[in-house]
Amino acid sequence: QVQLMQSGAEVKKPGSSVKVSCKASGGTFSDYSISWMRQAPGQGLEWVGRIIPSLGIANYAEEFQGRVTLTADKSTGTAYMELTSLRSDDTAVFYCAKTLKLEWKADFFDNWGQGTLLTVSS
Amino acid sequence: EIVMTQSPVTLSVSPGERATLSCTASQSVTTNLAWYQQQPGQAPRLLIYDASTRATGIPARFTGSGSGTEFTLTISGLQSEDFAVYFCQQYDNWPPLTFGGGTKVEIK
Repeated sequence: QVQLMQSGAEVKKPGSSVKVSCKASGGTFSDYSISWMRQAPGQGLEWVGRIIPSLGIANYAEEFQGRVTLTADKSTGTAYMELTSLRSDDTAVFYCAKTLKLEWKADFFDNWGQGTLLTVSS
Repeated sequence: EIVMTQSPVTLSVSPGERATLSCTASQSVTTNLAWYQQQPGQAPRLLIYDASTRATGIPARFTGSGSGTEFTLTISGLQSEDFAVYFCQQYDNWPPLTFGGGTKVEIK
């Protein structure tokens, strides 16, 4: 059973950048993709993008295109999300989550990280 | 972008009763739909995928149904741990993957 462990809470100033990590333990890093979601306080879930770690291929939501970069280090089983030009409305919990399998039309998430709270404030 | 709409926003149910949650897609997603449960302060947990397949370890009181644009999550015999927020998610046509706004199931 793969477990995902995210890095700790961050406090950033508007205009700065943040890099959040998501380390997978157990399983094989090549058997799934990892997506990142944003959840603002009291709100729903918003997909940020996903990466296939074995290939290094990433897709991004249009809203985040140009501000987000997803990467993965196969040697350590760790995925990263870097978000730049931070705004106050980026204040949210960011989750990484893995898919059950790496197949077409199977992008639902069977394991989630515990979440990383990002606070953007001057 | 496929818009997912959940109803009702809040559902008040007594313990032991049945809860019926709805999720509507703005266009057909065939059966490429998942349901998640989220407890306060916790990450979402996968309940159902492919519209009706229970995830590993999910009790049989959780049932998913539907196809195309209309989906239902039924929770039979609500237990205390079932009071939470539930989200649907489509994975048929993306990017972007999209979630519904959630239904909060609260104790009546």
